[in-house]
Amino acid sequence: NAGVTQTPKFQVLKTGQSMTLQCAQDMNHEYMSWYRQDPGMGLRLIHYSVGAGITDQGEVPNGYNVSRSTTEDFPLRLLSAAPSQTSVYFCASSYGRRYEQYFGPGTRLTVT
Amino acid sequence: LAKTTQPISMDSYEGQEVNITCSHNNIATNDYITWYQQFPSQGPRFIIQGYKTKVTNEVASLFIPADRKSSTLSLPRVSLSDTAVYYCLVGDVSYNTDKLIFGTGTRLQVFP
Repeated sequence: NAGVTQTPKFQVLKTGQSMTLQCAQDMNHEYMSWYRQDPGMGLRLIHYSVGAGITDQGEVPNGYNVSRSTTEDFPLRLLSAAPSQTSVYFCASSYGRRYEQYFGPGTRLTVT
Repeated sequence: LAKTTQPISMDSYEGQEVNITCSHNNIATNDYITWYQQFPSQGPRFIIQGYKTKVTNEVASLFIPADRKSSTLSLPRVSLSDTAVYYCLVGDVSYNTDKLIFGTGTRLQVFP
């Protein structure tokens, strides 16, 4: 049981490039979410999903897309990277109704 | 969604009990109160969750007064390894509107 896995661990992009951050969980959780954490700040919700085929926006969705074709995977796409998207990105999952979320190890993204 | 307010930072010494209070004046009927712990360069980790009165587990206790407008996380006999950021979250249990909003948290520093 690997829990929540994220790839890559580190990534450097140039402004305007696109990329996909991968997130997978093997706990059969229905609820998955993406957060970003800027230095010295709390986590801010980007997008979330309550099940396969269902996604919704969080606090800071602009510049990011998500899809949920399977229960296990919830990729986050950066459409055109900007320096303001430099952050640490965390993926999380839970059974949904209750809030014991399991977080992945994070992806540290730098946009130059 | 109920907004939460926590102290920015707290200091303690090993062996002491630490109480971190969170204010959530506009908590709704369906909202649960959840606390997470985050160490540097790691994703948050669930500590405890409650709806009213007192909840205790092997790690902490959560005290919620009758009006539910605040809650207190109690960490008994802290050690150096409890140095972390602690987040209080308040959220609706409605399945279709599940969102989890983190604030900036409370940075706890434990000294020898």
